[in-house]
Amino acid sequence: DIVLTQSPGALSLSPGEGATLSCRANQTVSSNYLAWYQQKPGQAPRLLIYTTSNRATGIPDRFSGSGSGTDFTLTITRLEPEDVAVYYCQQYSRAPITFGQGTRLDMK
Amino acid sequence: QVHLVQSGPEVKKPGASVRIACKISGNTFSNFYIHWVRQTPRQGLEWMGVINPGDGKTNNAQNFRGRVTMTRDTSTNTVYMELSSLTDEDTAIYFCSRVVTISKGFDSWGQGTLVTVSS
Repeated sequence: DIVLTQSPGALSLSPGEGATLSCRANQTVSSNYLAWYQQKPGQAPRLLIYTTSNRATGIPDRFSGSGSGTDFTLTITRLEPEDVAVYYCQQYSRAPITFGQGTRLDMK
Repeated sequence: QVHLVQSGPEVKKPGASVRIACKISGNTFSNFYIHWVRQTPRQGLEWMGVINPGDGKTNNAQNFRGRVTMTRDTSTNTVYMELSSLTDEDTAIYFCSRVVTISKGFDSWGQGTLVTVSS
């Protein structure tokens, strides 16, 4: 199985700042089939980024994804209070599909 | 716009089975796949398997093989996931999610169904 390790586990930032979230795989994620999801309390995950760098429908351009191989990054610029959530990466290049353990983003 | 609406919370005893429904609206029933994902505090998000509603073919994760059954009812645009031989470790929120083409990720999700396993 492809194991995804996200870092940091949690971060606390102020509105207007930027956030950089990391996702590292223990094997190459082929075709860059890596996605990022945002999950707020009591809600289902919401797709932010697919295939490493493509924003899903309706996702603001403050969210961007990059990376390749085993190292991937989600960057959030100009943080807003509504960005408070847990962010998960997911690989779907090889079964079983797997998720990272999540990064919790809080606001100061 | 597609909507995935899941059935309500369930409480089951150890050893029992649970069946969760996922009704899909706003989309032709054969143009996508439905994946099932569960979430627990201990394991996080865990992929369980996938069904093609068009032909009923499934592919289940190794961890659940033999315990999970995915079916569909084309007359009601509903997909079902049944998990058998429940233990307290199966206490989780279960989500269905739509994938139109795998390259584009899991783009729509049901609201989740809480399953509690308790004696």
